[in-house]
Amino acid sequence: EPEVTQTPSHQVTQMGQEVILRCVPISNHLYFYWYRQILGQKVEFLVSFYNNEISEKSEIFDDQFSVERPDGSNFTLKIRSTKLEDSAMYFCASSLIGGYTFGSGTRLTVV
Amino acid sequence: QQQVKQSPQSLIVQKGGISIINCAYENTAFDYFPWYQQFPGKGPALLIAIRPDVSEKKEGRFTISFNKSAKQFSLHIMDSQPGDSATYFCAASIRYDKIIFGKGTRLHILP
Repeated sequence: EPEVTQTPSHQVTQMGQEVILRCVPISNHLYFYWYRQILGQKVEFLVSFYNNEISEKSEIFDDQFSVERPDGSNFTLKIRSTKLEDSAMYFCASSLIGGYTFGSGTRLTVV
Repeated sequence: QQQVKQSPQSLIVQKGGISIINCAYENTAFDYFPWYQQFPGKGPALLIAIRPDVSEKKEGRFTISFNKSAKQFSLHIMDSQPGDSATYFCAASIRYDKIIFGKGTRLHILP
C-alpha cells in the first residue's frame, strides 16, 4: 500500500534554530498538507498546498513557517526560528480527492 | 463553527463489548466525516468515513451512525478487542479540504 514518508522521525533543535521537516507524499496525489499535534492534544491543521501554492493556512501558520515542493516528490515544512512551543508531532498528509493518507510524523523537540 | 466536539475523552470497555464514541458539529457545510485511529508514535490512519447523505455505514466491526438533523455522528466498535486500544479521532471537512479533528478519545479494551 502506498505510504507517505516523513523524515526525520525525531528532531531535537535549539530554540531559535531553523528546522526543515521533509515529506514524500504518495506519487499521484495532488493535495498536500501539514498538521501538528502537541503531545496528548488534538491534531491541528497548519497548511494545505495545491498546484504549487498554498491554498489555505491556519492562524498557527505564521511568518516563521513556510512550505515548499522543491521537486516532483518532496514536500517540506520549514520553521525559521523555532520556539519552545513549536515542540510537537508534525504530520504530513496527501490526498487525491479525499482519502487522506498521513505519514508517521516527525517529533520535533525544541530545547 | 469550525469545531468538532468529541466525547468521551477516555473510554474503558471489556473485551467483546461495544465501544461508542460520539461527535457533534455546528457547520452544516461539512460534507465528509472520517474517523481516524491512532496508535502511539504513529500518524492518524483512516478507519471509516461517511457522507451526510447516508445515515449509517458499516465496515466489519466498525459502524458510523450519522444524524444530520441533530448534527451528530458516532462510531460503534462491535466485539471490541485489545488490539482496538488506540486513540480515535472524529473529523469533518468541506469538499475534502482541510480536516477539522475532534480532541480524541483514548480507548482501552480490557483483556
